[in-house]
Amino acid sequence: GAGVSQSPRYKVAKRGQDVALRCDPISGHVSLFWYQQALGQGPEFLTYFQNEAQLDKSGLPSDRFFAERPEGSVSTLKIQRTQQEDSAVYLCASRPRLGTGGSYGYTFGSGTRLTVV
Amino acid sequence: KQEVTQIPAALSVPEGENLVLNCSFTDSAIYNLQWFRQDPGKGLTSLLLIQSSQREQTSGRLNASLDKSSGRSTLYIAASQPGDSATYLCAVRGGTSYGKLTFGQGTILTVHP
Repeated sequence: GAGVSQSPRYKVAKRGQDVALRCDPISGHVSLFWYQQALGQGPEFLTYFQNEAQLDKSGLPSDRFFAERPEGSVSTLKIQRTQQEDSAVYLCASRPRLGTGGSYGYTFGSGTRLTVV
Repeated sequence: KQEVTQIPAALSVPEGENLVLNCSFTDSAIYNLQWFRQDPGKGLTSLLLIQSSQREQTSGRLNASLDKSSGRSTLYIAASQPGDSATYLCAVRGGTSYGKLTFGQGTILTVHP
């Protein structure tokens, strides 16, 4: 597609439930990022993939958070045993690799709004 | 650790005014700085990107400046319009990172007719 697609748009989870959030980046984009945006705050970095390799997961807040990108395209962010503090918008962004003629720009998806009740 | 602060947190102006949004960052070793716009329920749209070697960038009614040594950037919006109403986010890319962005908390702009 033309943009970064995220699904679902909205997710309500009961505390303790596991959730999986999907990101379809722009075709051919090498870099993929996940960010968490709490209400009224700016996005905060969670994790970064270059192709299928997860090169940085330093922003994941706990071991309940897990991300994968097994074939270097679609990525899934999984949250186990959700807690109320996990309620936020989860944004995915992709970017072409520098040096291939692509832009420096990031394309963000519309996000998944997760509400844990 | 890089910290990015945006002032003001919210701004309400009448249509036609020129306005300035401010962004400051604590670590001047940045690769670039970007200004984004976020509409409710939408993703982020990149407005302007300033490389660390540049002083400013312009696009239409928008002008962004960068003073890396003092850790400051401003976004100037000329002749504001109601369609400019959105949250504006400033983000810096660290000098040694692969592209991770550190965001400010944003400025909520309302332009009323």
